Amino acid sequence: DGGITQSPKYLFRKEGQNVTLSCEQNLNHDAMYWYRQDPGQGLRLIYYSQIVNDFQKGDIAEGYSVSREKKESFPLTVTSAQKNPTAFYLCASRKELNWEGNQPQHFGDGTRLSIL
Amino acid sequence: AQKITQTQPGMFVQEKEAVTLDCTYDTSDQSYGLFWYKQPSSGEMIFLIYQGSYDEQNATEGRYSLNFQKARKSANLVISASQLGDSAMYFCAMREGHGSSNTGKLIFGQGTTLQVKP
Repeated sequence: DGGITQSPKYLFRKEGQNVTLSCEQNLNHDAMYWYRQDPGQGLRLIYYSQIVNDFQKGDIAEGYSVSREKKESFPLTVTSAQKNPTAFYLCASRKELNWEGNQPQHFGDGTRLSIL
Repeated sequence: AQKITQTQPGMFVQEKEAVTLDCTYDTSDQSYGLFWYKQPSSGEMIFLIYQGSYDEQNATEGRYSLNFQKARKSANLVISASQLGDSAMYFCAMREGHGSSNTGKLIFGQGTTLQVKP
C-alpha cells in the first residue's frame, strides 16, 4: 500500500543536540510539507518542497533545516537553535495534478519530539 | 492576511444525530480551496472533504457535507448520523495561492474537538 512513513514515532532530544526526523513517501507525490503541532493547536508550516533539490521556508522555519535530494524523501532536522522543540511533527505530501490545487495533502502518522 | 477561524473549541453530539462544525475564513483571493481534516487521538490527519471557491454545489462525501456560504466566508462541516468513531479533533484549512502561485500550502484553524456520546 502506498503511503507516508514517518520515523521514529517518539524522539527525545538532549540540550544542544540536533535530531533528524524522517519522512518517506511512495505515492509518487511531487510536493512535500513539514508541520508542527503544539497541544490543542492547529498545524503550522515549517518548510515545504515542490520539486527535488528545492525547498521554501514556511511560517516557523527558524531552528529547522530540510533537504530534498530524492522525490521520496524529505527529512527535517531540528537544530539546537530551536529552543522549544517539544511538539508533534507531521509530514505531508501532495500530487500536483493541476493548477486548481484541489488535491489534498496526505499525512504521515507523525513524530512526537520531547526534550530530555 | 489569510486566516481560518474555528470558534468552537469543543462540541458534544449524541450518537446518530447530526452536528455542524463552524469554520470562517478570510482571504482577498478570488480563487481558493477549503479542506476539512479529522485528527483522531492517535494523531494522523485524515482528509474528509474539499470545496473550491468556484464550485457551485456544496461538496458531499458520504456522511460529510460542507455548507459553503461564500458571501459570509463560511465553510461549515456537517456530519450526519454521528458515530462513536467520529470522536476526534476536526480542522478546517484553506489553500493559499492559485494558478502559477499555487504551492498547495495550507493554513489551518485551531480545530474543534468533537465528542460523540453513546
